Amino acid sequence: EPEVTQTPSHQVTQMGQEVILRCVPISNHLYFYWYRQILGQKVEFLVSFYNNEISEKSEIFDDQFSVERPDGSNFTLKIRSTKLEDSAMYFCANGDTDTQYFGPGTRLTVL
Amino acid sequence: AQRVTQPEKLLSVFKGAPVELKCNYSYSGSPELFWYVQYSRQRLQLLLRHISRESIKGFTADLNKGETSFHLKKPFAQEEDSAMYYCAPPFYGGATNKLIFGTGTLLAVQP
Repeated sequence: EPEVTQTPSHQVTQMGQEVILRCVPISNHLYFYWYRQILGQKVEFLVSFYNNEISEKSEIFDDQFSVERPDGSNFTLKIRSTKLEDSAMYFCANGDTDTQYFGPGTRLTVL
Repeated sequence: AQRVTQPEKLLSVFKGAPVELKCNYSYSGSPELFWYVQYSRQRLQLLLRHISRESIKGFTADLNKGETSFHLKKPFAQEEDSAMYYCAPPFYGGATNKLIFGTGTLLAVQP
């Protein structure tokens, strides 16, 4: 059974640096999502993406965040200038209209 | 506001005992509701959704609109049920459905 994959599994960066988190979706599943989970807190929605554009975004998803599918396959989340409070587990999800399949997550640590 | 409440952070039971993981929601309209599970060191995965009325791994969940609850139940807990459980209704935003996660309940099944 195909699975959503994410790279890297763990990213350590300095405050102010740019990071790109990557997600390889399941083919033929056209709905894309990013969620994050700060340690000890609940999973929070960041953004959804369909038909090559953002469908919905949360208050967390400010101008420092962006998403794209640069090659029509991988789905990326970019944080332009990371802050300490961006440290979290970032989950990509991909699916059809009914079900979302989650990747294993990328742990981002901002120092 | 869209809100999901899972009042128990930790639920510890003995093997063979009944399990009930509580979930209450605030949502206008007819909700669709999911339970997601995360086993140790594994990804989030869909356990069941109320509209399908299935029983997965012995778990069932009934939507009670009067009490606005969607509690997850299993008559006889197994050690392999130990995991983090999240109640997560989807909310429609344009073309996509974001999931709003509860804080999660850690189920620990003791031998």
